[in-house]
Amino acid sequence: QKEVEQNSGPLSVPEGAIASLNCTYSDRGSQSFFWYRQYSGKSPELIMSIYSNGDKEDGRFTAQLNKASQYVSLLIRDSQPSDSATYLCAVLYSTLTFGKGTMLLVSP
Amino acid sequence: KAGVTQTPRYLIKTRGQQVTLSCSPISGHRSVSWYQQTPGQGLQFLFEYFSETQRNKGNFPGRFSGRQFSNSRSEMNVSTLELGDSALYLCASRVNTEAFFGQGTRLTVV
Repeated sequence: QKEVEQNSGPLSVPEGAIASLNCTYSDRGSQSFFWYRQYSGKSPELIMSIYSNGDKEDGRFTAQLNKASQYVSLLIRDSQPSDSATYLCAVLYSTLTFGKGTMLLVSP
Repeated sequence: KAGVTQTPRYLIKTRGQQVTLSCSPISGHRSVSWYQQTPGQGLQFLFEYFSETQRNKGNFPGRFSGRQFSNSRSEMNVSTLELGDSALYLCASRVNTEAFFGQGTRLTVV
């Protein structure tokens, strides 16, 4: 069974802080990794994809991948209340497999 | 460019009935996947279609079925509905590795 694990949270951070979201996966052969953001009552929205070891930055978001440790993370700098959502980690095996998500709460 | 369109957005059905949900992918995307999302189980994969062929199937009973048409539009059907089928059903359209979701269909079984 290919799995993706995330802490359910909630992760609470004050406005302006860095939020760090983590994810581990079970299959060493995986090559494609994604972060989705899901607001309450809405569908998941793709915010980052990463395919090689290291960091990938896009605005306030940085995805980090460590294939040796089977670990993916998402950093959100200068967190805003509008970042409050559930963040889903996804790994592409033969199908796209999701973790159960980490709820992030950013307080003003 | 239009996104993924799912219809209907909301449905209320009675136990034992059947339901058909529709998904129109992003133009040019030939892969369509369906997911069930519930608070306890998260996003669970139902099946994936590519060029009218089922490419992968998740661990759901045979009451859940799907198909894809030549224009890449996809439908999923759930027969003999149970209370536990109440969920958000999401369709994702994929090109290469990146998948994009529709707004979902909220199914409530009473």
